[in-house]
Amino acid sequence: QVQLQESGPGLVKPSDTLSLTCAVSGYSISRSNWWGWIRQPPGKGLEWIGYIYYSGSIYYNPSLKSRVTMSVDTSKNQFSLKLSSVTAVDTAVYYCARRGERNYFDYWGQGTLVTVSS
Amino acid sequence: QSVLTQPPSVSGAPGQRVTLSCTGSSSNIGTNYDVHWYQQLPGTAPKLLIYDNSNRPSGVPARFSGSKSGTSASLAITGLQAEDEADYYCQSYDRSLSGYYVFGTGTKVTVL
Repeated sequence: QVQLQESGPGLVKPSDTLSLTCAVSGYSISRSNWWGWIRQPPGKGLEWIGYIYYSGSIYYNPSLKSRVTMSVDTSKNQFSLKLSSVTAVDTAVYYCARRGERNYFDYWGQGTLVTVSS
Repeated sequence: QSVLTQPPSVSGAPGQRVTLSCTGSSSNIGTNYDVHWYQQLPGTAPKLLIYDNSNRPSGVPARFSGSKSGTSASLAITGLQAEDEADYYCQSYDRSLSGYYVFGTGTKVTVL
């Protein structure tokens, strides 16, 4: 059973960098899948942030591209997200997810709330 | 940044059939990109409900069905049950800019 688990600080100060890690279990991250991040502001809809392949290929949402960095660590079977220069609008539940065979996300982490506040 | 439009809410009595719409454009659904649907129960992560327009992952009840036509897609719930009360999101791919995944605005389904 594929399982994903997000971890990282729940509180980040404005202008700082948000950093999250997604640990994958039950499945090797080095298999042929893309691994992504999706966020959801409180009470609002879902927004795709980007995704990464185990080899390091990356695609980002154009609206966030200038502030986003993703990386993968196959030895630890995990991947990471960094979002720089955060403001209050970046407050959201951040989910990591596996992209399935085509353009959908079939396994999701439980999500972690990140609040941007001083 | 939602470019897929969904009605904010839909309601129905137990046993009834409800239909949720997802309206896109020529840069996403209308370009023959598939539509996928997710169910989000309160306080939980989204769960894949329908993929590639009309396919159900293993374990998803047959009362959920999906379809796509032109620049729109629909999710039908036949025989509505209390446990179906949740938020539902459609998702596709948009070829504008350098290409990105897009989600719908979401529909809250209420079981009366």
